[in-house]
Amino acid sequence: GQQVMQIPQYQHVQEGEDFTTYCNSSTTLSNIQWYKQRPGGHPVFLIQLVKSGEVKKQKRLTFQFGEAKKNSSLHITATQTTDVGTYFCAVTGGGNKLTFGTGTQLKVEL
Amino acid sequence: EAGVAQSPRYKIIEKRQSVAFWCNPISGHATLYWYQQILGQGPKLLIQFQNNGVVDDSQLPKDRFSAERLKGVDSTLKIQPAKLEDSAVYLCASSLDRGGFVAGGRSYNEQFFGPGTRLTVL
Repeated sequence: GQQVMQIPQYQHVQEGEDFTTYCNSSTTLSNIQWYKQRPGGHPVFLIQLVKSGEVKKQKRLTFQFGEAKKNSSLHITATQTTDVGTYFCAVTGGGNKLTFGTGTQLKVEL
Repeated sequence: EAGVAQSPRYKIIEKRQSVAFWCNPISGHATLYWYQQILGQGPKLLIQFQNNGVVDDSQLPKDRFSAERLKGVDSTLKIQPAKLEDSAVYLCASSLDRGGFVAGGRSYNEQFFGPGTRLTVL
């Protein structure tokens, strides 16, 4: 089945520092989604990227889809304690089947 | 708009016992998904329904897991008998249809997740 790897697995930052997580696939993707899961919570949809080289922004979050549509990144500028959680990329297969990445757990220290 | 509802929120059973989880998707959502999320991992799709038909159950351990979605609305997931390795959070999600919702001419496949059921098998 389709596999996506995310790096890093964990990231500790000081509040105000930037954070980036990367998602990589060995195959070309039709689209990629990003979800955030707070500790003890459930995944919440953040965004979907479809076009090659696409860049989307949501306030302090910047999402990129690679030119070859095999990788994606999520960058958070000036992290806040509310950014704590695990960030997952997810790729869509046939019939809207989602395969989630391994996730990057972000911890933000004051 | 009410979100995806799941019950129970927590369940503790002994191995070889049976357990059932219930999910009520967002009203009008045709597609329903059950995921298993083991601690420290991403959710893994177990089964996907389109209305009351199964679209994908390739990762469902059919010797012990079963699921149904009668009348294309609520769904139940059952484990019988449970094993220690079944300890996980079971997440239910729904989406509008196989293409997701359409906004601004773009088709999105957003899945809305319920709070999950945390299962502990002793």
